[in-house]
Amino acid sequence: AQSVTQPDIHITVSEGASLELRCNYSYGATPYLFWYVQSPGQGLQLLLKYFSGDTLVQGIKGFEAEFKRSQSSFNLRKPSVHWSDAAEYFCAVGVHGSSNTGKLIFGQGTTLQVKP
Amino acid sequence: DAGVTQSPTHLIKTRGQQVTLRCSPKSGHDTVSWYQQALGQGPQFIFQYYEEEERQRGNFPDRFSGHQFPNYSSELNVNALLLGDSALYLCASSSVSGASRTDTQYFGPGTRLTVL
Repeated sequence: AQSVTQPDIHITVSEGASLELRCNYSYGATPYLFWYVQSPGQGLQLLLKYFSGDTLVQGIKGFEAEFKRSQSSFNLRKPSVHWSDAAEYFCAVGVHGSSNTGKLIFGQGTTLQVKP
Repeated sequence: DAGVTQSPTHLIKTRGQQVTLRCSPKSGHDTVSWYQQALGQGPQFIFQYYEEEERQRGNFPDRFSGHQFPNYSSELNVNALLLGDSALYLCASSSVSGASRTDTQYFGPGTRLTVL
């Protein structure tokens, strides 16, 4: 069965420090992978996605993620965190169909707190 | 370019009542997916509509039903509300047809449902 694991429920980093949020997935085929961010009481905003090709993908707000098939991972990174990055981050795998978009399976999320 | 819109923003109902939530997809998109996000959890897939038909369904009871209209907008209906139905309901749009085809789902701000 398809699943997504985000091992870190809560992470605290200092402003200006680097960040890495972990994501591991279980999926039998080549996955579509996504990172979304959610501010309190808001919907989900797409940060970046991986469908195929270059395994290092760039996203908005200075985020990047690397797809590692051998480790079934898709970790999110940012070299220097800003206070405005404090939010909930969700990793998702797209279970795509041949004739439809398919559904997203989400991890539990990682709450990022940024210390001044 | 309007993004995904949802209404209402908040809703309070009592157990046993019925509720209807509405979603308008992003311009050019033809597919609508619904997700339930309980507090502190990742979103869970409810179902997906394309060409006015339910194409995929997650592990939700028949109390959850939906509809898609010719203009691609969608409704989510929940009957016989339970306390456990309290959650943020998210709508996402995507497209499977033509030049707008995308396997990326774009989310609306959500409807916060509270069942008392």
